[in-house]
Amino acid sequence: ELKVEQNPLFLSMQEGKNYTIYCNYSTTSDRLYWYRQDPGKSLESLFVLLSNGAVKQEGRLMASLDTKARLSTLHITAAVHDLSATYFCAVDKSQGAQKLVFGQGTRLTINP
Amino acid sequence: DAGITQSPRHKVTETGTPVTLRCHQTENHRYMYWYRQDPGHGLRLIHYSYGVKDTDKGEVSDGYSVSRSKTEDFLLTLESATSSQTSVYFCATVGTGGYEQYFGPGTRLTVT
Repeated sequence: ELKVEQNPLFLSMQEGKNYTIYCNYSTTSDRLYWYRQDPGKSLESLFVLLSNGAVKQEGRLMASLDTKARLSTLHITAAVHDLSATYFCAVDKSQGAQKLVFGQGTRLTINP
Repeated sequence: DAGITQSPRHKVTETGTPVTLRCHQTENHRYMYWYRQDPGHGLRLIHYSYGVKDTDKGEVSDGYSVSRSKTEDFLLTLESATSSQTSVYFCATVGTGGYEQYFGPGTRLTVT
């Protein structure tokens, strides 16, 4: 059974600082997704990582995938308040049918 | 946003009553999904569809059934609602590129 674990689950940080959210998963998969969710809202797709070594960047967020270590990271550079949200990683367990298994989410709060 | 709407957006119902949630998409996507979101669990897949009349179970399918008689509509039915089915339900589709999964606005269901 595929398990996806994120850490930390809660993260409070100051503006301008850097930090990393980790996503570990238990069985082989080449597809990993990162989503953002604001309170009371739906999920917004941030990154889709499709192969070992994949790295994608958008603004202050950068995601990477190491399929051998079964690990993905979401790195936040010089955090700003607008990045406060809950971030989820998800892994495709189905070799392309996109039956996603989600992590528990990391609630990120960025303080001025 | 992949043209996904969900109805109703909020519903309160009593234990033992049947409930049907509707997901409607305008982009003619083949794959559609139903997830539930509960605190501490991230999102969990209930059922998914890979075409008209083609559906399959996800990881938490007990107590739920689905139907897809048209490409644009995917219905989730709780035959006899229980309090444990109080949750936020999200519908999703896979975008044209085949990799990104887009989510609808969600339905908040409360079973009293």
